[in-house]
Amino acid sequence: QQQVKQSPQSLIVQKGGISIINCAYENTAFDYFPWYQQFPGKGPALLIAIRPDVSEKKEGRFTISFNKSAKQFSLHIMDSQPGDSATYFCAAGGSQGNLIFGKGTKLSVKP
Amino acid sequence: GAGVSQSPSNKVTEKGKDVELRCDPISGHTALYWYRQRLGQGLEFLIYFQGNSAPDKSGLPSDRFSAERTGESVSTLTIQRTQQEDSAVYLCASSLALGGSTEAFFGQGTRLTVV
Repeated sequence: QQQVKQSPQSLIVQKGGISIINCAYENTAFDYFPWYQQFPGKGPALLIAIRPDVSEKKEGRFTISFNKSAKQFSLHIMDSQPGDSATYFCAAGGSQGNLIFGKGTKLSVKP
Repeated sequence: GAGVSQSPSNKVTEKGKDVELRCDPISGHTALYWYRQRLGQGLEFLIYFQGNSAPDKSGLPSDRFSAERTGESVSTLTIQRTQQEDSAVYLCASSLALGGSTEAFFGQGTRLTVV
């Protein structure tokens, strides 16, 4: 019930391509779905987040797609750049509990 | 301070020793989390403090691990009788509201090495 499953574990994309990372959750009480970006040696930082009242949220090159009925959400990075190379974590949380993270996706964008 | 501050940034300890890790959350943040991140791995939830409520300790891996928080300020994570498998980066995060439904701000982490 508390798990958040993330895939793929690693991803290699050419510069200019689209990076797609998927997550699935089980607990229907979750109402907050953030994505965090982590560079080596740093703590994770919030990239973009969505709540279940919308199906999509876009901020610059980053888009979250949310499918409430399937209990899935995904991160799309358009026009991927080498500077996007990092580890990405999805997470899910709710007002009654804490923030649960997926296992992460290591993204490498090749020039 | 401007962000979540953790100390020390690095700690090397001998197997069997106790260690104490400190987290200073952002002022006014009522929620505080501790996570463990092994090399190349994801974020493993350890414990969650939510205002004045009893903490959620469901992620603590053994009774060698404990954590305290004074009000809405500093938290300390204590690992007793450290083992080599405890080697990891320990991350602290805080958020403004109770519950896991607002942005969590992370510190830089404490890298613990047990030799």
